[in-house]
Amino acid sequence: QVQVVESGGGVVQPGRSLRLSCAASGFSFSSYVMHWVRQAPGKGLEWAALILHDGSNKYYADSVKGRFTISRDNSKNTLYLQMNSLRAEDTAVYYCARDPHYTDAFDMWGQGTMVTVSS
Amino acid sequence: EIVLTQSPGTLSLSPGERATLSCRASQSVSGSTYLAWYQQKPGQAPRLLIYGASSRATGIPDRFSGSGSGTDFTLTISRLEPEDFAVYYCQQYGSLPRTFGQGTKVEIK
Repeated sequence: QVQVVESGGGVVQPGRSLRLSCAASGFSFSSYVMHWVRQAPGKGLEWAALILHDGSNKYYADSVKGRFTISRDNSKNTLYLQMNSLRAEDTAVYYCARDPHYTDAFDMWGQGTMVTVSS
Repeated sequence: EIVLTQSPGTLSLSPGERATLSCRASQSVSGSTYLAWYQQKPGQAPRLLIYGASSRATGIPDRFSGSGSGTDFTLTISRLEPEDFAVYYCQQYGSLPRTFGQGTKVEIK
């Protein structure tokens, strides 16, 4: 089955860290650019980060730059998002999304994992 | 950063009616047509409908159509089906950061 499945969300205190995972199956993971997109409760979609198919380049939204790190392990077909120095405004559902060619739309999304930053 | 502004914020229509959603970019979208539309239903992930401004994604019914280039784009749903009531987002993917519009909710009148 062609899919991506996120995990690792939960409740965390401000200033702490959390690592999200996105497990891919059913397609050639190493051939795709991958993204993290987040959605705060009741709000719209916000792109957070992307990583090229071979991990050679990574890009971030200003809102997460310096705090979040995107990475991938193509041998495990898994995408990661290391989130440090978490803030209340990072509370959101985090989706991973697949991108065939870098300048391409996101043709597959996971179901999302919820991150709540609260004391 | 390219800011995408969608209008209207909410569209109240009846099944069978035509829906026209607008997405305007603050500057020309790179490649002129690097614009996508997504549908999102409550509690679900977004689903790609349209890419390249006018190409339907796999499995998307032909009642969905996209048009436009440069800074002005439109998503049209020719005849609304009950399952089409949802929130729709446009997205540009030609430059960094990738950006989304704020969404248009299509609700049942």
